[in-house]
Amino acid sequence: AQSVTQLDSHVSVSEGTPVLLRCNYSSSYSPSLFWYVQHPNKGLQLLLKYTSAATLVKGINGFEAEFKKSETSFHLTKPSAHMSDAAEYFCVVSEWSSGGSNYKLTFGKGTLLTVNP
Amino acid sequence: NAGVTQTPKFQVLKTGQSMTLQCAQDMNHEYMSWYRQDPGMGLRLIHYSVGAGITDQGEVPNGYNVSRSTTEDFPLRLLSAAPSQTSVYFCASSRDRGSSYEQYFGPGTRLTVT
Repeated sequence: AQSVTQLDSHVSVSEGTPVLLRCNYSSSYSPSLFWYVQHPNKGLQLLLKYTSAATLVKGINGFEAEFKKSETSFHLTKPSAHMSDAAEYFCVVSEWSSGGSNYKLTFGKGTLLTVNP
Repeated sequence: NAGVTQTPKFQVLKTGQSMTLQCAQDMNHEYMSWYRQDPGMGLRLIHYSVGAGITDQGEVPNGYNVSRSTTEDFPLRLLSAAPSQTSVYFCASSRDRGSSYEQYFGPGTRLTVT
């Protein structure tokens, strides 16, 4: 069974400093992994995804994530935070169900990123 | 393209009332789904559809019905609203049901049941 753990429910950084949002997952097979961002009162938007190609994935707005199979981690980073990065971030794992008839998405509980001026 | 649209944006219901949340997409996506988002719980899958005429239950289906008569539309029906259904509801679509495909989300419907 797959699961996702976002290790911090809230992260606060100063503008211009690095961002690290941590995500650990468990999966029986070879999963696809995603990070989505949700700005206040908006829907979710894809930041980046890993689908068994390069382990370092670059996304939009300067974000990137590294897939580490040995650590079952998929942490999201950005070198320099901007005020517009303030939002909630969700780590998502996707894999085929055991019967192979469909895939299942499992969402982490989210990390709220606050960016201070 | 409008992407995924949802109506209404906000709704207040009394316990026992029924209503339909509308969802439409103009990207010709086969896969559509409904999620609810509650504080501190991430998103949980209610129902999904892999194509017109085909629907199935997700993680939290009780109290909700869906149908998929066209590729574009995937309405969610609350049969008899309960306070536990107070939540934000998101509709999503993706090109196919492959595990690596991106989900496109609508803007959400904020539902309050009193």
